[in-house]
Amino acid sequence: EPEVTQTPSHQVTQMGQEVILRCVPISNHLYFYWYRQILGQKVEFLVSFYNNEISEKSEIFDDQFSVERPDGSNFTLKIRSTKLEDSAMYFCASRTVRELFFGEGSRLTVL
Amino acid sequence: QKEVEQNSGPLSVPEGAIASLNCTYSDRGSQSFFWYRQYSGKSPELIMFIYSNGDKEDGRFTAQLNKASQYVSLLIRDSQPSDSATYLCAVMAYNNNDMRFGAGTRLTVKP
Repeated sequence: EPEVTQTPSHQVTQMGQEVILRCVPISNHLYFYWYRQILGQKVEFLVSFYNNEISEKSEIFDDQFSVERPDGSNFTLKIRSTKLEDSAMYFCASRTVRELFFGEGSRLTVL
Repeated sequence: QKEVEQNSGPLSVPEGAIASLNCTYSDRGSQSFFWYRQYSGKSPELIMFIYSNGDKEDGRFTAQLNKASQYVSLLIRDSQPSDSATYLCAVMAYNNNDMRFGAGTRLTVKP
């Protein structure tokens, strides 16, 4: 069964460093998303991406964040100058019509 | 502000009972409504979705939608200990690009 894959599963970084989280959406999906879940808290929408551009972003998604689809399969989230409060699980998701399917997540730990 | 509200719980039911989970949303233009299940440390897993007012049944699960009241619910019949998880209500906006989640209701099914 097709699935959304994310790498790395866990990344530890020092405060101020840049991280790139990678996602391979399901192949025939057209809409891509990044969500964040801080431990014990709700799943928070960051950004949606369609037709090679951002279609919607939340108030969390500020200049520290960027997304890119560098080739036909990967979808990346870049976090610049990481802060302690960026420590969270980051989920990539994709969909065709309506149903959203999630990857297993990338856990980011900022020290 | 697009809000999705759920009782955080915990909701505890005995095995075999019906569990009832509720969700309200603020964006009257919302079109699609989803229930996800999230086990601790895992990604959200789609259980079912509903678009039209009324009930939709899938196995032991029934979703109910009332757009006039901006209310969606999930009933789990014959609850099993394996149903113990956090249940997330998600609402997709009219533009179909923005899906927002509630904080989730933690359900415990006791043997």
